[in-house]
Amino acid sequence: GQNIDQPTEMTATEGAIVQINCTYQTSGFNGLFWYQQHAGEAPTFLSYNVLDGLEEKGRFSSFLSRSKGYSYLLLKELQMKDSASYLCASMDSNYQLIWGAGTKLIIKP
Amino acid sequence: GAVVSQHPSRVICKSGTSVKIECRSLDFQATTMFWYRQFPKQSLMLMATSNEGSKATYEQGVEKDKFLINHASLTLSTLTVTSAHPEDSSFYICSAKAGDTEAFFGQGTRLTVV
Repeated sequence: GQNIDQPTEMTATEGAIVQINCTYQTSGFNGLFWYQQHAGEAPTFLSYNVLDGLEEKGRFSSFLSRSKGYSYLLLKELQMKDSASYLCASMDSNYQLIWGAGTKLIIKP
Repeated sequence: GAVVSQHPSRVICKSGTSVKIECRSLDFQATTMFWYRQFPKQSLMLMATSNEGSKATYEQGVEKDKFLINHASLTLSTLTVTSAHPEDSSFYICSAKAGDTEAFFGQGTRLTVV
């Protein structure tokens, strides 16, 4: 079957670094997405990885290991506005997205 | 990785007008391009698949006369939203691949119809 696993909730301190992990099992693989979603709003696109390795975009970085079915989103220099849910999604062989349940990130001062 | 460039990144248009979104593969020849739409609070939805030189294959429920796709060359595909209405406001994203390789995504286009 198809399955995406990510932690339900994480807590971190303002200014610190946090890593949100995601493991996936899908029928075929055409890339791994990370989205950010603030309460009551639409998800916004953060990153896309299809090749192994680390992609860095400012304070956010995303890593992929296809052989391990594993990805992580790394957030540096955390700000209070980073408090949100972070959704991991894998694109399957039909180019459809399979979504994880999301990780609620709580930032404390 | 390969680069797919999508233009424009944001566009605001008046209701009833048409908007063209371009998707270019900058460093590879894209034999297949995909167009997606993201609905609020939902996942990306595949709209259509196009192969260079042939007509696009549209997913069920997508109006081909409203969303015109042209994949005229191995590096360019365009999506034209015709007679746009406010309900067409969305995030549109393309991806491209060469043969059986991985697909690479553009950065997306935020369309707002007023």
